[in-house]
Amino acid sequence: GNSVTQMEGPVTLSEEAFLTINCTYTATGYPSLFWYVQYPGEGLQLLLKATKADDKGSNKGFEATYRKETTSFHLEKGSVQVSDSAVYFCALKYSNYQLIWGAGTKLIIKP
Amino acid sequence: DTAVSQTPKYLVTQMGNDKSIKCEQNLGHDTMYWYKQDSKKFLKIMFSYNNKELIINETVPNRFSPKSPDKAHLNLHINSLELGDSAVYFCASSQQGQGDEQYFGPGTRLTVT
Repeated sequence: GNSVTQMEGPVTLSEEAFLTINCTYTATGYPSLFWYVQYPGEGLQLLLKATKADDKGSNKGFEATYRKETTSFHLEKGSVQVSDSAVYFCALKYSNYQLIWGAGTKLIIKP
Repeated sequence: DTAVSQTPKYLVTQMGNDKSIKCEQNLGHDTMYWYKQDSKKFLKIMFSYNNKELIINETVPNRFSPKSPDKAHLNLHINSLELGDSAVYFCASSQQGQGDEQYFGPGTRLTVT
C-alpha cells in the first residue's frame, strides 16, 4: 500500500548549518508529493510540493526534488535559521480527498 | 481574515462529558477534514466531507460524530470523553482541482482529566 517514511527526529542543528530531512515513499504510480511545516502552537501549512517526477518544489529557501528512481522527496535548505524550528511533514496524495502523512520530523535550530 | 477557524482553542473537561468543537472556513472550499494529532505529533485523518457528504470515515470510535450543516462548517461532537481522547484536533479544508493544498486551522487542544 501507499506509505511515507520520514527520518526520526528531533534533528538539532546550529544556525546557518545545512539541512536535510529524508523522506521516502511507497506508492502506486506517481502521486503528488508535499512538505508541510507546523510551527509551535499552530496548524500545518504547505511549504512546497511537486506534482511529477523530477519536479523541484521550492519555497522560503527550502527545496525538494521528486525522485522516482529512489522514491524520495528529501527536504533541504542551505542555511537554517532559528525561525525554521518546527515540525516538518512529508505527504503524498492518495486520492482526491486524502493525503498519506509521514510521522513528522521535529527540527531544532540553536543560535 | 482567518481562513480556517476553530473554537474553542483549548478545551479541558472531565471523563464522561460530551463536548463539541466547531470549524468554519471562509475560503469557499468544497472539502473539509478533521485530524487528530497525538503528543508525538502523529497526524491521523478522522473524517472528510465533500459538499456536505461524508467521504472519509476512518476507524474512529463512534463516540465521535461529525456534522456539516453547510459547506463552510464542519463540527465535531464527542460523547463520553475518555483520557485517550486528549490530543490536538485540527480542522482543514481544500478545493478539488486547485492544487490539492489543504489549509489547516489553528487546532483545538483537548485535555480530558
